[in-house]
Amino acid sequence: QSALTQPPSVSGSPGQSVTISCTGTSGDIGAYNRVSWYQQSPGTVPKLMIYEVTTRPSGVPDRFSGSKSGNTASLTISGLQAEDEADYYCSSYTTTNILVFGGGTKLTVL
Amino acid sequence: QITLRESGPTQVKPTQTLTLTCTFSGFSLSTHGVGVGWIRQPPGKALEWLALIYYTGEKRYSPSLKRRLTITEDTSKNQVVLRMTNMDPIDTATYYCARDAHCSASSCYNHDAFTFWGQGTMVTVSA
Repeated sequence: QSALTQPPSVSGSPGQSVTISCTGTSGDIGAYNRVSWYQQSPGTVPKLMIYEVTTRPSGVPDRFSGSKSGNTASLTISGLQAEDEADYYCSSYTTTNILVFGGGTKLTVL
Repeated sequence: QITLRESGPTQVKPTQTLTLTCTFSGFSLSTHGVGVGWIRQPPGKALEWLALIYYTGEKRYSPSLKRRLTITEDTSKNQVVLRMTNMDPIDTATYYCARDAHCSASSCYNHDAFTFWGQGTMVTVSA
């Protein structure tokens, strides 16, 4: 199972919105609504931000939202803040009953 | 309070077998819908899913590492153990264990996402 494809980096200014894409196949993202997103700041443990494509765990700001179209999932961060600067990883359940992560995207807040 | 903690050697030699233990508290692997998985992250690189064991005892492995991995549970000790054989320098990474389950006040279900993570343990493979 290949890793999901994410852009290596994205950037935005405070207050703006940014979207991070995560492209898979009909065997993973396209097959199930089991896409998750994680935020990882340097030296810290990954934090779950979105699961099941659109659901935010308790405590995650509603500035973070998820969506999916076909084989591509997206994480949108609106009202960008300096504290959002981090690496973001997507993950999906697959038709082979395993999980797969994306290659990660570094978000820079300008 | 839910916690997970990884333990094991910080360094192993090439060809040796790595054994990591995840000791958790605040939940039971016997609870319907709960799973515990292992994920690793080489320095400066992406997360990689390795294996997961469900409350049913069912086990899943990364296809690329399946021949080298074994995941087991000791429910009485609240532990999940990962064994990886034939270690290579490319396996140098931080290894995390994490819980896969979304729980309400009355029940849990597997949601293929990791809400709770251990702090990770760095393993270096070097002669």
